[in-house]
Amino acid sequence: QQPVQSPQAVILREGEDAVINCSSSKALYSVHWYRQKHGEAPVFLMILLKGGEQKGHEKISASFNEKKQQSSLYLTASQLSYSGTYFCGTEGSGGYNKLIFGAGTRLAVHP
Amino acid sequence: EAQVTQNPRYLITVTGKKLTVTCSQNMNHEYMSWYRQDPGLGLRQIYYSMNVEVTDKGDVPEGYKVSRKEKRNFPLILESPSPNQTSLYFCASRRDREGYTFGSGTRLTVV
Repeated sequence: QQPVQSPQAVILREGEDAVINCSSSKALYSVHWYRQKHGEAPVFLMILLKGGEQKGHEKISASFNEKKQQSSLYLTASQLSYSGTYFCGTEGSGGYNKLIFGAGTRLAVHP
Repeated sequence: EAQVTQNPRYLITVTGKKLTVTCSQNMNHEYMSWYRQDPGLGLRQIYYSMNVEVTDKGDVPEGYKVSRKEKRNFPLILESPSPNQTSLYFCASRRDREGYTFGSGTRLTVV
């Protein structure tokens, strides 16, 4: 089942912060975060694993509440280069590479 | 350079004419997947593979076939393409507990 992302869209000024949320109805093995710019492939940002391990981008942080099956991506001191569509992907308990993506959150950062 | 290579980048074909989109990765990744991306629907998983000769259906497998005879290759086959398969397709690979590296995408139009 597709995870639910919120908000659907965000508009920021450079330097402002944003939080993007991802919620699943199923127990999770991992949560992935990706950013996609227009006309390009998605780019991996971060993975959060059951048990607390995180791997990914140094300048981006995220949280994973395993009990609530929720994750949040924190974008602080936003830059113009942060603009794009952010997708979370969830992998159910056990893993097995069945990674389902949310519908995406469009982020626009203006000067 | 570590990468996922898809070919072709663009393809226009006619209904019913069998086609294959190739995907190759040079990172020795066990996991590979095919996704299609349509406006407003995000990335939907077509098929995925956990290793050689191990494949499984994703959320939208109808009308597609895959094979994984070698670790590096994961071709997507459309036996009888139809206009509703017009889409942007992405191949991706990763290791367990790591994020995906995506190919550049294949824009397919079926007329």
